Amino acid sequence: GENVEQHPSTLSVQEGDSAVIKCTYSDSASNYFPWYKQELGKRPQLIIDIRSNVGEKKDQRIAVTLNKTAKHFSLHITETQPEDSAVYFCAASMDRLAFGKGNQVVVIP
Amino acid sequence: DTAVSQTPKYLVTQMGNDKSIKCEQNLGHDTMYWYKQDSKKFLKIMFSYNNKELIINETVPNRFSPKSPDKAHLNLHINSLELGDSAVYFCASSQDWRDPSSYNEQFFGPGTRLTVL
Repeated sequence: GENVEQHPSTLSVQEGDSAVIKCTYSDSASNYFPWYKQELGKRPQLIIDIRSNVGEKKDQRIAVTLNKTAKHFSLHITETQPEDSAVYFCAASMDRLAFGKGNQVVVIP
Repeated sequence: DTAVSQTPKYLVTQMGNDKSIKCEQNLGHDTMYWYKQDSKKFLKIMFSYNNKELIINETVPNRFSPKSPDKAHLNLHINSLELGDSAVYFCASSQDWRDPSSYNEQFFGPGTRLTVL
């Protein structure tokens, strides 16, 4: 089955700086790559996703890039704010979603 | 108007007891899931049902038994609870995962924090 690796496990950034989280996947047939954000004590929620026929997608301060050849995709958060502090999960799927282990992002005011 | 709801929100119980968690979605989705999130925040898929049919059954002890009375409900029954079962259990739903044209977003419930003493 699909195996998704996520790095780094913890990332601390100064408010206003950018944060980048990288994920790799193993199954070249995967065609859907979502990112979920989970705030402390809350449920995971989709923040952005990308399909394999697209290389990059942007939504305000967040963007996702996909490199199908290298089988990796990344989440970019620009101008980070304290409310961006959360655990971020990447996932990959052709049929069922396989989640990475999560990345704790801490934005330091 | 909650999309995916779970009850109870918190569950504290003794080892050896049997307990159930209920999940309901009003999004008209065909597929529902149970995830276990441990203290390290890892989201592990346990089960998935599509229109009342079991489609994913990961390596989970058979003390865990899901039941889907209809496509809007997926309940989780746990027998003989153990300390290691303590975790947050999330229910989720999505459109039919086998339809390649479907939008695959999974909508999560608020979670049930299970504590086994």
